[in-house]
Amino acid sequence: GQNIDQPTEMTATEGAIVQINCTYQTSGFNGLFWYQQHAGEAPTFLSYNVLDGLEEKGRFSSFLSRSKGYSYLLLKELQMKDSASYLCAVRGISGSARQLTFGSGTQLTVLP
Amino acid sequence: NAGVTQTPKFRVLKTGQSMTLLCAQDMNHEYMYWYRQDPGMGLRLIHYSVGEGTTAKGEVPDGYNVSRLKKQNFLLGLESAAPSQTSVYFCASSSAGAFTDTQYFGPGTRLTVL
Repeated sequence: GQNIDQPTEMTATEGAIVQINCTYQTSGFNGLFWYQQHAGEAPTFLSYNVLDGLEEKGRFSSFLSRSKGYSYLLLKELQMKDSASYLCAVRGISGSARQLTFGSGTQLTVLP
Repeated sequence: NAGVTQTPKFRVLKTGQSMTLLCAQDMNHEYMYWYRQDPGMGLRLIHYSVGEGTTAKGEVPDGYNVSRLKKQNFLLGLESAAPSQTSVYFCASSSAGAFTDTQYFGPGTRLTVL
C-alpha cells in the first residue's frame, strides 16, 4: 500500500518563497506528481519526478529523494493566484493502470 | 478540443435513487479513472479502465459500477444512492504511451444524497 503525508495548511506572503513538503511510504514507486487545485475546480498538473533531484519549471520547482521517501514543491515569487490546494500523488508499480495515490492536499493561502 | 468533460455538474438525489455520471474525453486516451474527493481525505480512486471494454476496481469501489463501451466515454453508476456517497466526483484520463502518463481531470460533479 501507499501512505502519503503533507501539511494541511500553509500561509505565505505575496512575493515570498514557500516550500510544501510531502513524505511517502510505498511498496513500489514509479513517479511522484504535484497537482494544483483551486477551490471548486479540477486538479491541474504541475510537475513530475521519477529520478532524484530538482525539476524546475518557471516559478515552480519540485524535488525528489527516493531513498528518503521525500519530495517538496517550491513556489517562488508568490502571487495571489497561487492560493490553492497542492496535491502530492505517488504512482505505484502494481496493477495494469498507472494508478495514483493522492495525499490529502496542502491548502496554501497567499496574503498581500 | 474540450479535454475531459463531465455531466451533470450538480445533482441532488434521495437515498435509494439511482443515477449515472458521464465522462467523455477527446484526447484518444486509453486510460480513464473515476475518483471521489471528500474534505480532508484527498482524491480516492473508485474504478478505472485501461481500454474499451475493460474495467477494474480501485480503492473504494463498493456501491459503484462502471462501463467503458466506447473508448472516449467512461460511465459511473450508483444503483442505490446512500448519504455516504455525497461527494465531488472527478473523472480523469491519461495516455498509455506518454512517459509521464499525466492524468487530465474533468471539472467534477457535485453530488448530494439526502
